[in-house]
Amino acid sequence: LAKTTQPISMDSYEGQEVNITCSHNNIATNDYITWYQQFPSQGPRFIIQGYKTKVTNEVASLFIPADRKSSTLSLPRVSLSDTAVYYCLVPSGGYNKLIFGAGTRLAVHP
Amino acid sequence: EPEVTQTPSHQVTQMGQEVILRCVPISNHLYFYWYRQILGQKVEFLVSFYNNEISEKSEIFDDQFSVERPDGSNFTLKIRSTKLEDSAMYFCASSALGRGSHEQYFGPGTRLTVT
Repeated sequence: LAKTTQPISMDSYEGQEVNITCSHNNIATNDYITWYQQFPSQGPRFIIQGYKTKVTNEVASLFIPADRKSSTLSLPRVSLSDTAVYYCLVPSGGYNKLIFGAGTRLAVHP
Repeated sequence: EPEVTQTPSHQVTQMGQEVILRCVPISNHLYFYWYRQILGQKVEFLVSFYNNEISEKSEIFDDQFSVERPDGSNFTLKIRSTKLEDSAMYFCASSALGRGSHEQYFGPGTRLTVT
């Protein structure tokens, strides 16, 4: 089970790019890295998943260096509505249960 | 866009009572899950379900909990005798793929309050 470490909180302003880095030093060879977003009183929402290098979708980009011991979620030009908790997850070793940590609480200010 | 739905949105019950939380997963998904989140705490895995049986369960999912897929659309979580510490948001999730995929779709949750 790969332990993940990410900042407890971050602040940003509307229009800025936000990068949230997660470390996962003991990630296994076959593990993927997955990011979720959660708004207050809502269920988590899948954002992006990757294995190596760079993955981009309509919401975010995920950068994974060659050693895969960390990953960075990049949110381009954030808005107030991006204020949420962001979770970095690496497979538990079980079937496909998700093990959530405390996440990074992102606050976007006007 | 298809979504997971849950009912009720809020359930208040007395300690010792049985509750059933209901979920309708996305129609072509085959893997189903329950998670819970106590106010201010982490999201915790409870159970995963595939092919009409439990695939995996956590330590939280003791004999007081059970899951069922009574028909082709609903997926339920039953708590037989609720305790105060069962008060939490309960999230149902579903996924199309199994092992190796972590793209799960969560419902809006049921807030369970045990008094």
